[in-house]
Formats: sequence, C-alpha cells, structure tokens
Amino acid sequence: AQSVTQLGSHVSVSEGALVLLRCNYSSSVPPYLFWYVQYPNQGLQLLLKYTTGATLVKGINGFEAEFKKSETSFHLTKPSAHMSDAAEYFCAVSDQGGSEKLVFGKGTKLTVNP
Amino acid sequence: DAGVIQSPRHEVTEMGQEVTLRCKPISGHNSLFWYRQTMMRGLELLIYFNNNVPIDDSGMPEDRFSAKMPNASFSTLKIQPSEPRDSAVYFCASSLRTVSGNTIYFGEGSWLTVV
Repeated sequence: AQSVTQLGSHVSVSEGALVLLRCNYSSSVPPYLFWYVQYPNQGLQLLLKYTTGATLVKGINGFEAEFKKSETSFHLTKPSAHMSDAAEYFCAVSDQGGSEKLVFGKGTKLTVNP
Repeated sequence: DAGVIQSPRHEVTEMGQEVTLRCKPISGHNSLFWYRQTMMRGLELLIYFNNNVPIDDSGMPEDRFSAKMPNASFSTLKIQPSEPRDSAVYFCASSLRTVSGNTIYFGEGSWLTVV
C-alpha cells in the first residue's frame, strides 16, 4: 500500500523567504508523485508532477520539487515566498503502470507573513 | 477548455434527506474520481471509474453511498439517507490515462452540510 507523510501541518514564512514543504512517500513500486495547491474555498490545482526522467521538476508559480529515491522524498521548494502563495499544499502518490488513484498526504498549510 | 464541473456548489440538507451530487468530467478523459475532504480525515478516495466502469469502490463508507456513471460525460454520487457526519467537501476529478501516466484534474467541489 502507498502512503504519504507531510511533515508539518502548518508552515509559516516571511515574504521573500525560502519555502520548503516536506513530503515523504512509501511505495512498493516506482511512484508517480504530485504536488497540488488548494486556495481557500477552491478545488485542488496541480503544481507539478514527477513521472520518470529528470528528478528535479519545475512547476507553476516558481515552485519546484526534487525526487530523491534514496530518501523516499519529494520536497517542494520556492526560493522567495509571495503573499499569494498562502494556501494549503498536498503531496500525493500513485503507482506507475498500475492503479491511477492518488493517495494524498494530510496537507500543509502555508502562511506568508508580510 | 472547461474543467471538471460539479453541482451543486453548496448544499444544506436535513438529516435523512437524499443528496445527489453531480459531475461532468473534462471532455475526452476516461477516468473519473470522487474524493471527500474533511478536517479529520483529509482527502479520501471514495470511488473511481475507468471508461464508465467502477474500478475501485473500497473507499465508499457504507451502503448509504452510491455512485453511477451512465456515460462518459456524467456521474452522480448519491447519499441516502444523509447524516450529519456526511458533512464534507466532495470533489469530482477526471483524468486521461495514457501509457506515460495520468494527471488528475479536480473540480471546485460540492460543499455539503447535513443538519
């Protein structure tokens, strides 16, 4: 069975500071990995995904994530936080070539302070 | 292009009433998912369809919940009878499964309150 652990249910940063949201996964098969963002009272929007190939993945809004197989991690980063980045972020995993359903982490709520 | 369309966006109903949530997936997508989001349990997959056929309904909480996909452009999630603990945001999502994987796109959600 697959699972996702997001360390830190709440993360607070200052505007302009580095954003680092942590995600570790468990999967018995090669994974596909995703980050989604949810703004208040809205649905989930895909930020970026890793399928195969390059382990550093760039997404929308300046976010990127690196797949590290040895660490079973897929942490999300952004060099400089904007106020508009305040939202909840979800890491998710599915397995390659098998079930296409996503298993989500519990989410990390990002607050950006002026 | 239109995204995943859900209705109603908000519903308040009394305990015991039937609730029907509707979803129109993105045109051309062949998989459809129903997720539920609550503060306590986060995002849970209830059921998913591929080519209109239910593939995995292991997340459906109990017999009060049922889902159908009569054609490629429409799905419903029904709760009968509804209970206060069913209050949650219900998301429909769709994807196109290809040999290189799939990306799931979510609707805006149906916010259900059962009183």
